[in-house]
Amino acid sequence: GAVVSQHPSRVICKSGTSVKIECRSLDFQATTMFWYRQFPKQSLMLMATSNEGSKATYEQGVEKDKFLINHASLTLSTLTVTSAHPEDSSFYICSATTGSSYNEQFFGPGTRLTVL
Amino acid sequence: GQNIDQPTEMTATEGAIVQINCTYQTSGFNGLFWYQQHAGEAPTFLSYNVLDGLEEKGRFSSFLSRSKGYSYLLLKELQMKDSASYLCAAVDSNYQLIWGAGTKLIIKP
Repeated sequence: GAVVSQHPSRVICKSGTSVKIECRSLDFQATTMFWYRQFPKQSLMLMATSNEGSKATYEQGVEKDKFLINHASLTLSTLTVTSAHPEDSSFYICSATTGSSYNEQFFGPGTRLTVL
Repeated sequence: GQNIDQPTEMTATEGAIVQINCTYQTSGFNGLFWYQQHAGEAPTFLSYNVLDGLEEKGRFSSFLSRSKGYSYLLLKELQMKDSASYLCAAVDSNYQLIWGAGTKLIIKP
């Protein structure tokens, strides 16, 4: 149980385009979903926390207009990187929990974004 | 400020035991996670400690000392597949996860 999927697993796009990444909890209802970014050889960096039906809470330094997060249902959250640039190339990982953030987070497999 | 410290890299031999340490400084504390992350993959949950002491789960054990702000992950009977990064993450008073940079564990035959 507690499986989280992410789609796509890998995407390559041109600079200036927008990319949408989906995160789904397959066998449980995720009250809270988290979006992380991880650069090579670095730790996870939390970008935002989203609760179903409400606006996401963004971490300091993360542009909410650039990284649009929608959590429309208890099983789906999407992250849209708008007008992507090469510096946005990274490994994006979502996680989901059934309760508060101190509960175990179940991670998706990640999405490798490369912006040319 | 809030901070998590863990060694950047460790090397151990197949079949041996290795201990990965983590010290934390957070505003409030609501537990500590250990995750395993293989290269290019997402983290997978290993353990969660909120009370002092040792919790054993198969070949992996995790220890916590709240008074010292210290935890360790103990891996026994190391296997080649244990080569991965091990992430320590503490939960602060706002129930936010504060992540360490991870310890890359290299297992040699």
